[in-house]
Amino acid sequence: ETGVTQTPRHLVMGMTNKKSLKCEQHLGHNAMYWYKQSAKKPLELMFVYSLEERVENNSVPSRFSPECPNSSHLFLHLHTLQPEDSALYLCASSQDITRGYETQYFGPGTRLLVL
Amino acid sequence: RKEVEQDPGPFNVPEGATVAFNCTYSNSASQSFFWYRQDCRKEPKLLMSVYSSGNEDGRFTAQLNRASQYISLLIRDSKLSDSATYLCVVNLTPNSGYSTLTFGKGTMLLVSP
Repeated sequence: ETGVTQTPRHLVMGMTNKKSLKCEQHLGHNAMYWYKQSAKKPLELMFVYSLEERVENNSVPSRFSPECPNSSHLFLHLHTLQPEDSALYLCASSQDITRGYETQYFGPGTRLLVL
Repeated sequence: RKEVEQDPGPFNVPEGATVAFNCTYSNSASQSFFWYRQDCRKEPKLLMSVYSSGNEDGRFTAQLNRASQYISLLIRDSKLSDSATYLCVVNLTPNSGYSTLTFGKGTMLLVSP
């Protein structure tokens, strides 16, 4: 399935590095999301974009900076991360954000390790 | 109280067994409910939505009890390929007007030959 793609799939970075995660959806959806999944924790919503506008920033530290240049692409820019930021970062998309029964489709995720 | 609570398991069952997972949610204003499946080192995928009247999809049956704020998933005739983590997911549309999904930590199922 290639509805939502993410690159890179794996990333190792030092605390002083700057890197970006990329997500692309081929489903014609209007909403895109970034989630963080850490070991032994539930998925945590980080950011929500609707029609390229950010509608949710779930108290995420500023070292994570999202960018949505168009409704098909979503980036997560990373800088000066901490080891506790190591996790699986999942991108998702849905048709809309206002209807309560929307299905979200997830990308395969980027597994990030911060040294 | 956690927003969506699940028994983490693992549930170890033999092939052919019937297994049930439960989930409770804390926000009574929650509007829609789902079970997602997540295989090891893969992304979550929608398994089924959960309706108030209960719904069935092949070997899978989901039930919702709004009064008790409780959701269940029943898997009959377990297959080896059912081994995965099952995520209970609740959708809330607050006054801000956009809906968000809240995930449980998941229940791990291991089906053995």
